[in-house]
Amino acid sequence: GAVVSQHPSRVICKSGTSVKIECRSLDFQATTMFWYRQFPKQSLMLMATSNEGSKATYEQGVEKDKFLINHASLTLSTLTVTSAHPEDSSFYICSAAGNTYGYTFGSGTRLTVV
Amino acid sequence: KQEVTQIPAALSVPEGENLVLNCSFTDSAIYNLQWFRQDPGKGLTSLLLIQSSQREQTSGRLNASLDKSSGRSTLYIAASQPGDSATYLCAVRPGYGGATNKLIFGTGTLLAVQP
Repeated sequence: GAVVSQHPSRVICKSGTSVKIECRSLDFQATTMFWYRQFPKQSLMLMATSNEGSKATYEQGVEKDKFLINHASLTLSTLTVTSAHPEDSSFYICSAAGNTYGYTFGSGTRLTVV
Repeated sequence: KQEVTQIPAALSVPEGENLVLNCSFTDSAIYNLQWFRQDPGKGLTSLLLIQSSQREQTSGRLNASLDKSSGRSTLYIAASQPGDSATYLCAVRPGYGGATNKLIFGTGTLLAVQP
């Protein structure tokens, strides 16, 4: 149980375009999901907390107009990187609280902006 | 402000050795602590979850302990195998704010098990 599916696993996009990443909880409902960014050889950096039916809460220094988060249902949260630039290239991971209050993570999305 | 530190940052051992990874946190008011494994370019796989009222959890060759008062957790891996090579992360969930609290991650330990 407590599976989180993240798609796509890899995406390459041109500078200036937008990219959407999906995070789904497959066998449980998640009122809250989290989006992280990870740079090479570094730990995870929390970007925002996604709340079902309400606005996301962004961490300090994260541009909410650039990283749009939508959590329209109890099983789906999306992160859209708008007007992507090469510096947005990174590894993005989502997570949700599973059973017994442990957190389950998606498999991550490698974004490359060229 | 909760800070989580992991020592060592990197570790290389020969196959078959038992090893211990360390995690320390500055604020003992935690809800639980979770150990994860991350393979290169992949997401995180949960290994063990220890609630604040527990002192240890075991799964196969893995054993995690928790000492809240001293702000420490250890992950013990018995009879290490090359397939155990990965980055190991510990994460603390603060003991306040309800069930939606965000995890605070340690810096990770990169483990290499040599065949």
